[in-house]
Amino acid sequence: GAGVSQTPSNKVTEKGKYVELRCDPISGHTALYWYRQSLGQGPEFLIYFQGTGAADDSGLPNDRFFAVRPEGSVSTLKIQRTERGDSAVYLCASSPTGAGGYTFGSGTRLTVV
Amino acid sequence: GIQVEQSPPDLILQEGANSTLRCNFSDSVNNLQWFHQNPWGQLINLFYIPSGTKQNGRLSATTVATERYSLLYISSSQTTDSGVYFCALLLNTGFQKLVFGTGTRLLVSP
Repeated sequence: GAGVSQTPSNKVTEKGKYVELRCDPISGHTALYWYRQSLGQGPEFLIYFQGTGAADDSGLPNDRFFAVRPEGSVSTLKIQRTERGDSAVYLCASSPTGAGGYTFGSGTRLTVV
Repeated sequence: GIQVEQSPPDLILQEGANSTLRCNFSDSVNNLQWFHQNPWGQLINLFYIPSGTKQNGRLSATTVATERYSLLYISSSQTTDSGVYFCALLLNTGFQKLVFGTGTRLLVSP
């Protein structure tokens, strides 16, 4: 597509529920990144995919967070047993090779109540 | 880990004014980017600037890597410049991972 698409744009969920956030990168971009932005802060790295594999997941805060990219295109970030502290904007970015040239999506605003 | 600090944290300008935003970082880096996050949350890449000076219309940026700082200049500001400006360092850890600064929130009033 023309840009990085993220759905849903907003998600409200109850504490303890499971959520999935979707990212559709620019066609042909092999590198895909997830970042999390808390209120008033800069984005923080969560995970990086090169193709189908997670090349670096060192930013995932704990084992409740998991992400997949099964066909090397669309990625899904999955959060189990959500907590109020998970509330944030989740940003996805893609780049042609992983060497700069980032394009960010508009993000998914997750609110855990 | 690497520290990235931006100043000022908040800035209010009258339309037409000029401003300078600063980014200080604690370690040598491969590269640096400036982003504008608009009020709808979209992050837009402004400059990819490891060193030297670049200009794009009313915006310009200068990075002095040896002294570990970068400056973003906004001239003749417009209300559409409002938003948050981030500098982000590119750490070459096998891939280019972005470490974002604390941001400068800019409001340009008409």
